Amino acid sequence: DQQVKQNSPSLSVQEGRISILNCDYTNSMFDYFLWYKKYPAEGPTFLISISSIKDKNEDGRFTVFLNKSAKHLSLHIVPSQPGDSAVYFCAASGSNDYKLSFGAGTTVTVRA
Amino acid sequence: DSGVTQTPKHLITATGQRVTLRCSPRSGDLSVYWYQQSLDQGLQFLIQYYNGEERAKGNILERFSAQQFPDLHSELNLSSLELGDSALYFCASSASGGGLNEQFFGPGTRLTVL
Repeated sequence: DQQVKQNSPSLSVQEGRISILNCDYTNSMFDYFLWYKKYPAEGPTFLISISSIKDKNEDGRFTVFLNKSAKHLSLHIVPSQPGDSAVYFCAASGSNDYKLSFGAGTTVTVRA
Repeated sequence: DSGVTQTPKHLITATGQRVTLRCSPRSGDLSVYWYQQSLDQGLQFLIQYYNGEERAKGNILERFSAQQFPDLHSELNLSSLELGDSALYFCASSASGGGLNEQFFGPGTRLTVL
């Protein structure tokens, strides 16, 4: 049962433009959301997170938006750079549920 | 470098065999998590240990087992291996047992069962 869904398997964007990655979840007990970035042959690297008491969190070029009523979050990368080309995973957990539930990932390709 | 180490990086073995994957968490982290990533899929949670004790269990097969030792390193044992067990196995660690803690991942062990 996939509780975290990333419906776009891939995204291609031009360097300097905005990348928008989307994620939907079904479990209303989730209250902490994270984005991880993964390069080939490496483990996922933590990128940014947001708790359910916020609707936006920003860190440099990365901003995560949370819409609790829609059970939807998004990651904005502005401006996109070639080094951002990677697989991005959305993950979620509940405060009483220690594991992370991951989406299937979105492969981002930034074109020069 | 996340500070989480995993050995070996690659493992090739035959069906029916048993293997052990090893993980050392970041210094000071008490929790260790194991995840499996099969081809083109997201990471699936297997099991979590906190300070030596099992804390949470996910979709872990009965053929798989894990433990966390007093020095906090962890081992994942996979037995009676099947072709479908071929996957990337990631270990992650976090400072506490739950709550709003991000997990830091190791580089993974790629298991190939022939």
